[in-house]
Amino acid sequence: ELKVEQNPLFLSMQEGKNYTIYCNYSTTSDRLYWYRQDPGKSLESLFVLLSNGAVKQEGRLMASLDTKARLSTLHITAAVHDLSATYFCAVEEGTSGSRLTFGEGTQLTVNP
Amino acid sequence: DSGVTQTPKHLITATGQRVTLRCSPRSGDLSVYWYQQSLDQGLQFLIQYYNGEERAKGNILERFSAQQFPDLHSELNLSSLELGDSALYFCASSVSRGGPDEQFFGPGTRLTVL
Repeated sequence: ELKVEQNPLFLSMQEGKNYTIYCNYSTTSDRLYWYRQDPGKSLESLFVLLSNGAVKQEGRLMASLDTKARLSTLHITAAVHDLSATYFCAVEEGTSGSRLTFGEGTQLTVNP
Repeated sequence: DSGVTQTPKHLITATGQRVTLRCSPRSGDLSVYWYQQSLDQGLQFLIQYYNGEERAKGNILERFSAQQFPDLHSELNLSSLELGDSALYFCASSVSRGGPDEQFFGPGTRLTVL
């Protein structure tokens, strides 16, 4: 059974600081997704990572994938308050359909 | 706006009752997925339908069932409801024409069982 673990689960940081969220998964997969969720809202797709070494950047967020280490990172640069949300990584299992297995989520709070 | 629609947005009902949640996928998407989000279980995959056929099944209770209709909209039926079924239920859709299958999520239905 595929397991996806994120850390940290809670992250409080100051505006302007940098930090990294880690996502580890237990079985082979080369399809990993990052989503953002605001309280009470839906999941917004942030990044799609499809191969070993993939790196995607959008604004202050950068995601990478190392399939050999079964690790993805979401790096936050010079955080701003608007980035406060819960971030989920999800791994696609392609053996049977395209189900996503989600990590527990990282609740990020950016303080002024 | 992802293009996936779900109705209703909120549902409040009593234990033992039955409810139906509805989802319309993005135009052109053939797959529909159902997920449950709760505080204690997190985000869990329930079931996937592809072009009317069940394709994958996750941790879906026997009291729950789903189907996808010829127009590709999907319904999730929850019966004999228990307090623990209170959760946010998301529908997602994807193209599913081979290759990576990015899923786009609807706004969710918040179910409260009293």
